[in-house]
Amino acid sequence: GEDVEQSLFLSVREGDSSVINCTYTDSSSTYLYWYKQEPGAGLQLLTYIFSNMDMKQDQRLTVLLNKKDKHLSLRIADTQTGDSAIYFCAETYGTASKLTFGTGTRLQVTL
Amino acid sequence: DTGVSQNPRHKITKRGQNVTFRCDPISEHNRLYWYRQTLGQGPEFLTYFQNEAQLEKSRLLSDRFSAERPKGSFSTLEIQRTEQGDSAMYLCAIRDGNSPLHFGNGTRLTVT
Repeated sequence: GEDVEQSLFLSVREGDSSVINCTYTDSSSTYLYWYKQEPGAGLQLLTYIFSNMDMKQDQRLTVLLNKKDKHLSLRIADTQTGDSAIYFCAETYGTASKLTFGTGTRLQVTL
Repeated sequence: DTGVSQNPRHKITKRGQNVTFRCDPISEHNRLYWYRQTLGQGPEFLTYFQNEAQLEKSRLLSDRFSAERPKGSFSTLEIQRTEQGDSAMYLCAIRDGNSPLHFGNGTRLTVT
């Protein structure tokens, strides 16, 4: 079955880079996503990468994909206090293209 | 603006009561999804519609749950005879083709 795993917590200082990691099991994943969730809110799409890509950069965000190891990471450069949230990794598989989510990584940004 | 409106934002109900949530996409999208998120967990897939057809249901969707999308636009999710274990955030999302899912802000259900 499909499984997506993330570390639960990450603390960084404001201005440093954050790296949030994710591993998945389904080698047939077509797209991999990063979503951000602030308290009491829904999920906000941050970025996504197609499975035939290794890297995608979007302003302060860099996504790296290692298909061989089924490892996905999200790097946030110059982390700000407004980046404090829970970050979810997700993958799509199958004809329904429904998403399977990890348990989320809580990012805490300290001054 | 996520393009998806969910109502109500919060619902508190007593165990055994029925509840209904509504999802209104702002514009037309062929696929509509329902997810459930319990505290400390990622969202879990419940069901999805392509236009008005319900094409897949998760094992999480017990007989007490029913979802409809009568005209292929808005959708409703009803839970009958609610149980405390139904307490969660219920999220609606929309999608066209291979585009990413865009989520609404969810309905938080508390069953007392």
